[in-house]
Amino acid sequence: ETGVTQTPRHLVMGMTNKKSLKCEQHLGHNAMYWYKQSAKKPLELMFVYNFKEQTENNSVPSRFSPECPNSSHLFLHLHTLQPEDSALYLCASSLEGGKVSGRYRGTDTQYFGPGTRLTVL
Amino acid sequence: AQSVTQPDIHITVSEGASLELRCNYSYGATPYLFWYVQSPGQGLQLLLKYFSGDTLVQGIKGFEAEFKRSQSSFNLRKPSVHWSDAAEYFCAVGRYGGATNKLIFGTGTLLAVQP
Repeated sequence: ETGVTQTPRHLVMGMTNKKSLKCEQHLGHNAMYWYKQSAKKPLELMFVYNFKEQTENNSVPSRFSPECPNSSHLFLHLHTLQPEDSALYLCASSLEGGKVSGRYRGTDTQYFGPGTRLTVL
Repeated sequence: AQSVTQPDIHITVSEGASLELRCNYSYGATPYLFWYVQSPGQGLQLLLKYFSGDTLVQGIKGFEAEFKRSQSSFNLRKPSVHWSDAAEYFCAVGRYGGATNKLIFGTGTLLAVQP
């Protein structure tokens, strides 16, 4: 496998279910991202992990729980979702330059996976 | 606050015609700018990026974009459109140097290509 892969590609779940989305990058990157893409809306950044540390939580409801066990894998655990959470969930990765004085030095391009189409019934 | 505006929600062009997709940004510092393309049901593929240097950037699939600081624009162009170019196109500006590096995306322009 090359690039950024996401599984499953499609997921249908009820509001009481618990499921997880998986993302894996094979690019040697050290930063990973979750985005939500809904119809008629710009891509919404949800979470960012740099060097396995969560550096951004963009006011995401707690029914979405990310996990980054290593720089190559990123999960999004889902529980008690709402129908309005139905969307395309995209994972991305990039190569970051590391921190200097609390700020990341430079960055590289974000590369995206194919996404998971989530439908909440 | 940083923002990206793509004023055209939907554009239709004939195959073989030229294409220009508009992108305007608001950003206080020197921007890093990107164009991505998304085919139906797929993720985003990078077309091209501008970090510094030559303001005319060449990308994949025959696309190019020009950074114009005075107009805060980064328009995407292609001289001759192919049917396979039908997709949604997203402009993004990179916000770097903070606690998290992130991209700010526009709402996208959906391109239809007529035979």
